[in-house]
Amino acid sequence: EPEVTQTPSHQVTQMGQEVILRCVPISNHLYFYWYRQILGQKVEFLVSFYNNEISEKSEIFDDQFSVERPDGSNFTLKIRSTKLEDSAMYFCAITRDISYEQYFGPGTRLTVT
Amino acid sequence: DAKTTQPNSMESNEEEPVHLPCNHSTISGTDYIHWYRQLPSQGPEYVIHGLTSNVNNRMASLAIAEDRKSSTLILHRATLRDAAVYYCILNRNYGGATNKLIFGTGTLLAVQP
Repeated sequence: EPEVTQTPSHQVTQMGQEVILRCVPISNHLYFYWYRQILGQKVEFLVSFYNNEISEKSEIFDDQFSVERPDGSNFTLKIRSTKLEDSAMYFCAITRDISYEQYFGPGTRLTVT
Repeated sequence: DAKTTQPNSMESNEEEPVHLPCNHSTISGTDYIHWYRQLPSQGPEYVIHGLTSNVNNRMASLAIAEDRKSSTLILHRATLRDAAVYYCILNRNYGGATNKLIFGTGTLLAVQP
């Protein structure tokens, strides 16, 4: 059984629109991450989140991006005004306590037209 | 972040062992060696990690050179399901909150029946 699920599996949106991608851990986890993978390219780190705040973010994670845990379980990534270059697979990852293994979700394919 | 070098691709026959090499000559004393893999159209999946000693788990073995400048992921009997991109990643032991993973291009493993 997967450690984490992501919704939606595929999202198509128009440029300039806001999107919210959701990550739902199956059990309690403390550390959360978002990564993205543009088609044919490397997996890139976006942001890590711990204790209800961002602990680290990459250069990609600019003001258009935000993360939160609105209800203590779901972990969301919001892109305020999508651009064509935001089209990618977005993966959520989680870790338990001091374990170093990250468990990745199946991803959300975001297509910006 | 210390860099790793892996062959772009490798081939193996089903049910034979596979040795996937990784060079990390600039590794520091606090860097753990992690291996993840990414099956087609899926999120990355944790395989194994180690610091100095060789490690075994149900998926694979990790052999670490004495000087830690290289390591080898060993799949004891490759199956068709093992066809994936394998990533060797160095990760500092700062705890989960800042345990971002920096992915390279990895090794694309093809398994022939």
